Amino acid sequence: GQNIDQPTEMTATEGAIVQINCTYQTSGFNGLFWYQQHAGEAPTFLSYNVLDGLEEKGRFSSFLSRSKGYSYLLLKELQMKDSASYLCAVPFNDYKLSFGAGTTVTVRA
Amino acid sequence: GAVVSQHPSWVICKSGTSVKIECRSLDFQATTMFWYRQFPKQSLMLMATSNEGSKATYEQGVEKDKFLINHASLTLSTLTVTSAHPEDSSFYICSARDSIKETGNTEAFFGQGTRLTVV
Repeated sequence: GQNIDQPTEMTATEGAIVQINCTYQTSGFNGLFWYQQHAGEAPTFLSYNVLDGLEEKGRFSSFLSRSKGYSYLLLKELQMKDSASYLCAVPFNDYKLSFGAGTTVTVRA
Repeated sequence: GAVVSQHPSWVICKSGTSVKIECRSLDFQATTMFWYRQFPKQSLMLMATSNEGSKATYEQGVEKDKFLINHASLTLSTLTVTSAHPEDSSFYICSARDSIKETGNTEAFFGQGTRLTVV
């Protein structure tokens, strides 16, 4: 099975940086996804990591360490619109996705 | 990116009635679609995998006779919640992967979700 852990909530101020950690245990690794989900809406794709290291995409970056079963999503220059839930997910069996519980990020002015 | 359209966005129904939710891939073909359910303040939980032209496969604990899935074409999957009860009230989300790109792990595209409220 899959076991995915991420913090429940994080709060930061506008313009700051926040790092959301995700640890996972899975049989057979096929990469790790990060999704953003605003309340009442479907998730939107942010990143996919399959190799170790940092991948930067604008204000958002994602890091993966396969040996440690660890990933993080880094949000820079936080904006109010970044207030959302951030979901860590790993694929299993025929590309199904197993999601973490999600981290609710609140950005304050 | 590819577009997955889910309909309706929200529905309110009476207890005991059935509700059908549609999931369409608009600009790509999807031999496989996935149905998730999300309760308030919880994460998405996979319910079932919808396979075009064959029976759906359900995750443990999901009643296949209650949640009927039909995947009659490469662009449409439907989920019917039969004899709905208040505890079925939830946010239902479908996702699909591009059949052409099914080798390797590509992103899954999500529908907008359907908010079901059973009264």
